[in-house]
Amino acid sequence: DAMVIQNPRYQVTQFGKPVTLSCSQTLNHNVMYWYQQKSSQAPKLLFHYYDKDFNNEADTPDNFQSRRPNTSFCFLDIRSPGLGDAAMYLCATSPGQGASFSYEQYFGPGTRLTVT
Amino acid sequence: DQQVKQNSPSLSVQEGRISILNCDYTNSMFDYFLWYKKYPAEGPTFLISISSIKDKNEDGRFTVFLNKSAKHLSLHIVPSQPGDSAVYFCAVYGAGSYQLTFGKGTKLSVIP
Repeated sequence: DAMVIQNPRYQVTQFGKPVTLSCSQTLNHNVMYWYQQKSSQAPKLLFHYYDKDFNNEADTPDNFQSRRPNTSFCFLDIRSPGLGDAAMYLCATSPGQGASFSYEQYFGPGTRLTVT
Repeated sequence: DQQVKQNSPSLSVQEGRISILNCDYTNSMFDYFLWYKKYPAEGPTFLISISSIKDKNEDGRFTVFLNKSAKHLSLHIVPSQPGDSAVYFCAVYGAGSYQLTFGKGTKLSVIP
């Protein structure tokens, strides 16, 4: 089945220790997104890639970076995690423009990050 | 400043009855509206959507209504089933944007 996969599902890191979350997709979608969701809050878009074009949200802290080495994979790097970065991180994809365009975004199961 | 508001954090409904989940938005430029359903430990899954040129869209037990003048949309689930128990998020797109703005969600509990 075509899907969005996130690894690991649970990640524990220490305060200030860099951490990388990964996302892969078998949908061959052009657009990949990273969201942060804190408890009882709405998912908040951090950034997205349209193919190799990176689009950062204005209020995304510099502590958060992303890489997309190819169509299938996208990484979220948190350079110096703080206690406030503990959250669920959701990866999503969408087809983008063209014949396969759809407004729907397809989400992975998320990675729950704990910062100790 | 929340652009998408789901004012009811939770809702309990008896099995077989109608569930109505509400969502209000502030920006009249939003032009596409979606509902997502989320179970614990899973990512949100798409449920149903509606374009701003329509006022109703139906898919089986799920119907979404859009009232543009009131900047309000609602999701009706009839009849409600215990498997519908989940958190429901309203989400909106602005014209030409890839940014999906979510509400905080409403936790629906369907009681057998």
